[in-house]
Amino acid sequence: EVQLVESGGGLVQPGGSLRLSCAASGFTFSTYSMNWVRQAPGKGLEWVSYISSSSRIIYYADSVKGRFTISRDNAKNSLYLQMNSLRAEDTAVYYCATDRVGDLGAFDIWGQGTMGTVSS
Amino acid sequence: DIQMTQSPSSLSASVGDRVTITCRASQSISTYLNWYQQKPGKAPKLLIYAASSLQSGVPSRFSGSGSGTDFTLTISSLQPEDFATYYCQQSYNTPWTFGQGTKVEIK
Repeated sequence: EVQLVESGGGLVQPGGSLRLSCAASGFTFSTYSMNWVRQAPGKGLEWVSYISSSSRIIYYADSVKGRFTISRDNAKNSLYLQMNSLRAEDTAVYYCATDRVGDLGAFDIWGQGTMGTVSS
Repeated sequence: DIQMTQSPSSLSASVGDRVTITCRASQSISTYLNWYQQKPGKAPKLLIYAASSLQSGVPSRFSGSGSGTDFTLTISSLQPEDFATYYCQQSYNTPWTFGQGTKVEIK
């Protein structure tokens, strides 16, 4: 079964850090680009970051640039998001998602999401 | 950044109705437009990619059309399981951006 499973969410104070993980199974992880997408409570979807299959190409949304770092370990079939200098507005469900439909930026497989809450 | 605007923001419809949701981009995005369905507490699900290509496993009552700046998602005959929020997303260039969503509710 093709699956993505996120972990690592939790409650953190403003200025703190969280490291999210996404474990992939059921497909050849190393072949596909990966993304993080977030959704604040009661709000819409916001793309956060992209990493190519080889990690050579990385993009970030302006809202997280300089604070978040995306990475992957193809040997472990895993994707990561290191989130530093967290703000209240970073509170969201964070989804990992992949694009297997031809690198068209269409996210065909999503994880179940992990909640990150930034609050004092 | 490319802004994506959906209309309407919400709609009420009955089972069997034909439903149309519109998405407009702030600049031309060719056919780099995707549609997702999201139910409460669940991850989004890809319905349509590249403006009109039906994702594998998605019922044929869903269809997409458009190019340039104006796009449409159509549900030909609304089913009970289709009540959800729908999002468009441009993948023409980064940052990938989503519309604000259209909530389809039971009339």
